Amino acid sequence: DAKTTQPNSMESNEEEPVHLPCNHSTISGTDYIHWYRQLPSQGPEYVIHGLTSNVNNRMASLAIAEDRKSSTLILHRATLRDAAVYYCILSGGAQKLVFGQGTRLTINP
Amino acid sequence: KAGVTQTPRYLIKTRGQQVTLSCSPISGHRSVSWYQQTPGQGLQFLFEYFSETQRNKGNFPGRFSGRQFSNSRSEMNVSTLELGDSALYLCASSRAGGAGTDTQYFGPGTRLTVL
Repeated sequence: DAKTTQPNSMESNEEEPVHLPCNHSTISGTDYIHWYRQLPSQGPEYVIHGLTSNVNNRMASLAIAEDRKSSTLILHRATLRDAAVYYCILSGGAQKLVFGQGTRLTINP
Repeated sequence: KAGVTQTPRYLIKTRGQQVTLSCSPISGHRSVSWYQQTPGQGLQFLFEYFSETQRNKGNFPGRFSGRQFSNSRSEMNVSTLELGDSALYLCASSRAGGAGTDTQYFGPGTRLTVL
């Protein structure tokens, strides 16, 4: 399974944008890049995913590098509710998610 | 639409016992996956079922098993419990669209404590 590297923790202020980086230098051509987040005392929840092009949804944006060896999850205006552990995951054809340690995001009021 | 439900939410067992956890997927979802989450190892994939067949399996001993019923509900069983099996067990369901595009929806988990 291809691996991802994320910073252990990041901190930001409420109502400011947050850019969460992820490196995946061994990504294969068929791997999708998924982001999930886990709020305290909850199961993980889907945030966004993409293959090659940048993606936007109501929760966030995903910017994928042209060589696909890195990506960035963008929260446009962080709220206190966005404090969570964010996981960047590569998912190929198999129906399984291989979680790394993720990035613990702290939002300051 | 109702989300993924897991029962029970909390469970306390003693070493050597066995335990069965249950997961009801979102209506219409045919794939159910199980994960174990511990502070030391993080989130680890256990196995995945689709149409009552195990399609993928993680690197766990044979004491961990599962099954899926015709209504897509799934159970996982852990026999001969060890202290290290104390963890949050998470179930996730998806439509099983394949090609890595399927979104998985997680339940709240079952917190298992082995004494």
